[in-house]
Amino acid sequence: NAGVTQTPKFRVLKTGQSMTLLCAQDMNHEYMYWYRQDPGMGLRLIHYSVGEGTTAKGEVPDGYNVSRLKKQNFLLGLESAAPSQTSVYFCASTESGAKNIQYFGAGTRLSVL
Amino acid sequence: AQSVTQPDIHITVSEGASLELRCNYSYGATPYLFWYVQSPGQGLQLLLKYFSGDTLVQGIKGFEAEFKRSQSSFNLRKPSVHWSDAAEYFCAVYSSASKIIFGSGTRLSIRP
Repeated sequence: NAGVTQTPKFRVLKTGQSMTLLCAQDMNHEYMYWYRQDPGMGLRLIHYSVGEGTTAKGEVPDGYNVSRLKKQNFLLGLESAAPSQTSVYFCASTESGAKNIQYFGAGTRLSVL
Repeated sequence: AQSVTQPDIHITVSEGASLELRCNYSYGATPYLFWYVQSPGQGLQLLLKYFSGDTLVQGIKGFEAEFKRSQSSFNLRKPSVHWSDAAEYFCAVYSSASKIIFGSGTRLSIRP
């Protein structure tokens, strides 16, 4: 049972380069989330999706775009990477509703030089 | 607006000693509260959750937490820590539209 899988696990980019982070879940969850984790700041929500074909902005959406073309996949894109986007990125998924547990991937460590 | 405060950035306890990690929340109604644990290099895993009812909730790995409305707190406790408990711990509160807000985390180190 894979749960939530993130690819890649590590990436180094140069300023201005673009990349896409992939999140895949095999639990048939409706809701999916992208967070970034920075020292001393906990997890901050970038974007989220409440179902296939839907996306919404979270707390820190600037510089990122997302797509949810298939229910099991949630993609996070950086069109023009900046050093401020150096972070660890986590994807999570949950069944619909506030009482449901969020299941997390293992994270993607991104460095932007 | 909802918020979560974890006042301790880093705590060190001796193996076998008791543990209490503090969490304070700000929420207008009855909150949904969570504790997650993050082992080094891993994603977050749910330890326990509180929605309603009994204010003392039991979780995995021998952890428990107590909801105190009068103090707006949801502190995490364990009677005797093990070296494998070294990790970062996050308190979280449900916000809206199935979003949750995380605290800044408390890093736990275990002294042999």
